Amino acid sequence: LAKTTQPISMDSYEGQEVNITCSHNNIATNDYITWYQQFPSQGPRFIIQGYKTKVTNEVASLFIPADRKSSTLSLPRVSLSDTAVYYCLVGRPRDDKIIFGKGTRLHILP
Amino acid sequence: EAQVTQNPRYLITVTGKKLTVTCSQNMNHEYMSWYRQDPGLGLRQIYYSMNVEVTDKGDVPEGYKVSRKEKRNFPLILESPSPNQTSLYFCASSSPFQGQTNYNEQFFGPGTRLTVL
Repeated sequence: LAKTTQPISMDSYEGQEVNITCSHNNIATNDYITWYQQFPSQGPRFIIQGYKTKVTNEVASLFIPADRKSSTLSLPRVSLSDTAVYYCLVGRPRDDKIIFGKGTRLHILP
Repeated sequence: EAQVTQNPRYLITVTGKKLTVTCSQNMNHEYMSWYRQDPGLGLRQIYYSMNVEVTDKGDVPEGYKVSRKEKRNFPLILESPSPNQTSLYFCASSSPFQGQTNYNEQFFGPGTRLTVL
């Protein structure tokens, strides 16, 4: 499993675009990049997944450069309700162990 | 409704008293897993199961047991709980083997907050 590194915490303001970058230098050819969101006392929830270039859904965008050694989760126009912990995971479709790590604690200010 | 359920949601117990936390999913998922979450340590995997009768250790398996006799159920057993097992526990399931848009998308239960005195 590729190790991931992401900032421990970030602050931003309502209405801003927030970008959280995750480093995964040892990503393997068959690895996908997946991001989860977790609110206090709730289980994590899947946000977005990608393999290369850019993926966008109704919640976020995921940017992956050509070398795939990092990825950036982009949250457009955040609100207070986006305050949560965001986890970056790297792994293959048939992985057994799953490593969430400590995530990035995002705090949105009014 | 597709969901993962856990019971109980809250439990206070004493050291050494065996307990079981149940986990059930109705999505026909092959993969199920247990995690514990502690302040400052993130989410750590305890045990996982790739399918019925197939279980294996995660990163923090000491003091826990699991079983997977049926596809939908994956109970977590603490034979002799200790205070250092006080934590928030999550069960999750996913299906890496069926055709789907998102690989290994984990679906989480609501959590069980366990306190061992």
